Amino acid sequence: SQQGEEDPQALSIQEGENATMNCSYKTSINNLQWYRQNSGRGLVHLILIRSNEREKHSGRLRVTLDTSKKSSSLLITASRAADTASYFCATDEYSNYQLIWGAGTKLIIKP
Amino acid sequence: DTEVTQTPKHLVMGMTNKKSLKCEQHMGHRAMYWYKQKAKKPPELMFVYSYEKLSINESVPSRFSPECPNSSLLNLHLHALQPEDSALYLCASSPQGGTNEKLFFGSGTQLSVL
Repeated sequence: SQQGEEDPQALSIQEGENATMNCSYKTSINNLQWYRQNSGRGLVHLILIRSNEREKHSGRLRVTLDTSKKSSSLLITASRAADTASYFCATDEYSNYQLIWGAGTKLIIKP
Repeated sequence: DTEVTQTPKHLVMGMTNKKSLKCEQHMGHRAMYWYKQKAKKPPELMFVYSYEKLSINESVPSRFSPECPNSSLLNLHLHALQPEDSALYLCASSPQGGTNEKLFFGSGTQLSVL
């Protein structure tokens, strides 16, 4: 099945630093979503950005979308230990009915 | 109530056992999903129910049998599973279905098949 791409696969930073992770896709999308997953439990929705939007904010999260480069980035500012998790992007790249998931970025925040 | 509740949280079963996973939501969502997730991998879609009817089956083996008794409940019946079926099974829901909606996930059932 199709799978989007994310990089980096893993990211380890000091608490208080900013974390940036990227998601790329191959064709065209209507929407792109970001989710967080703690320790192999359920995923939590963070932000949905539409193809006609370039940037969205939610608290310490900033998501950008560049449709010309077919990529999105998730920026977490002033990271905290509680941000330690895996982050997944998901798009509607090939279907209006199911999401195509990126491989995920594992973020570790060191105290 | 914005929760999706899954039971049990952990399940160990033998290859000859029959067991069921349960999922419940009371948000009035009409689309419900089963995902399978292996460690360090993204979730893989298994089934989608839309308005209590099975709308997507991603070529899942028949040893997995979904059931949607009503709009709030979703079950996954397991029979004669293989060790490679060991994974985290996630239930999710969304208001209508479709990729322009966010998914609400349960905390999952960690399944081990011996």
